[in-house]
Amino acid sequence: AQKITQTQPGMFVQEKEAVTLDCTYDTSDPSYGLFWYKQPSSGEMIFLIYQGSYDQQNATEGRYSLNFQKARKSANLVISASQLGDSAMYFCAMREGVDTGNQFYFGTGTSLTVIP
Amino acid sequence: EPEVTQTPSHQVTQMGQEVILRCVPISNHLYFYWYRQILGQKVEFLVSFYNNEISEKSEIFDDQFSVERPDGSNFTLKIRSTKLEDSAMYFCASRYNRAWPGGAFFGQGTRLTVV
Repeated sequence: AQKITQTQPGMFVQEKEAVTLDCTYDTSDPSYGLFWYKQPSSGEMIFLIYQGSYDQQNATEGRYSLNFQKARKSANLVISASQLGDSAMYFCAMREGVDTGNQFYFGTGTSLTVIP
Repeated sequence: EPEVTQTPSHQVTQMGQEVILRCVPISNHLYFYWYRQILGQKVEFLVSFYNNEISEKSEIFDDQFSVERPDGSNFTLKIRSTKLEDSAMYFCASRYNRAWPGGAFFGQGTRLTVV
C-alpha cells in the first residue's frame, strides 16, 4: 500500500482565493510526522509545515495550515490568499517514528497553478 | 538562515564513469539523507545516515552507490559506474533532532545527466 497518496495531479486557483491540497497517509506506527514541501520550477524542495501525530491542534505557518484528521488519515494543506508565487509542485510526506533515521515517504505531488 | 548546500548544481558525465555528489548539511544536524527525483516524477528515497553509518537504504541504493561523511561537515554520494537511468535530480537533506518538528531541510539539488 502507498504510504502517501495525493490524488490531485493538478490544481488551479484564482489569486487571493484559498485552496486545499489533499493528502492521505497509511501507517500503523502511532508516532509519525506529516510534512508538506513546495517545489518551484527552480527545483529546490522547500519545507513548509509539519504535523506530529500527537499534536492536538492543526499546524499553521503563515498562510499555510494543515487540516489534520487523524481518524481519516488525512493531512490536507490549505493555502489561504493564494499568490502567483505559490505556483509550484507540492509534496506531502510522512516519517514514521521519532528518534530514528527513518526515511521520509513522499507522495506523487500536486501541481498548483495560481491564476491572476 | 542555515541551509544545506550541494555542489555541483549540474553535472554531466559519461555512462560508466564515477561521480561524487557533495553536500554540506546544516552544522548541528544529526541525520542525513539522499533522495533523487527523475524529471517530473516522485521523490525517491535512497539512503539515510546517522552516527557515521547507514540507517536505512532503499532498493535503488545498490552496490553502485555509497555514502560517506569524510570530515564531519561534508556528506557525499558516490555512484561508481553511472547508467543512463541514473540521470535525475539528487537531493541531500539533513535533520537535527530527537523530537518534532522533524522536518528535513533539503539542499537545492544536483542535476545529474548521464550521456
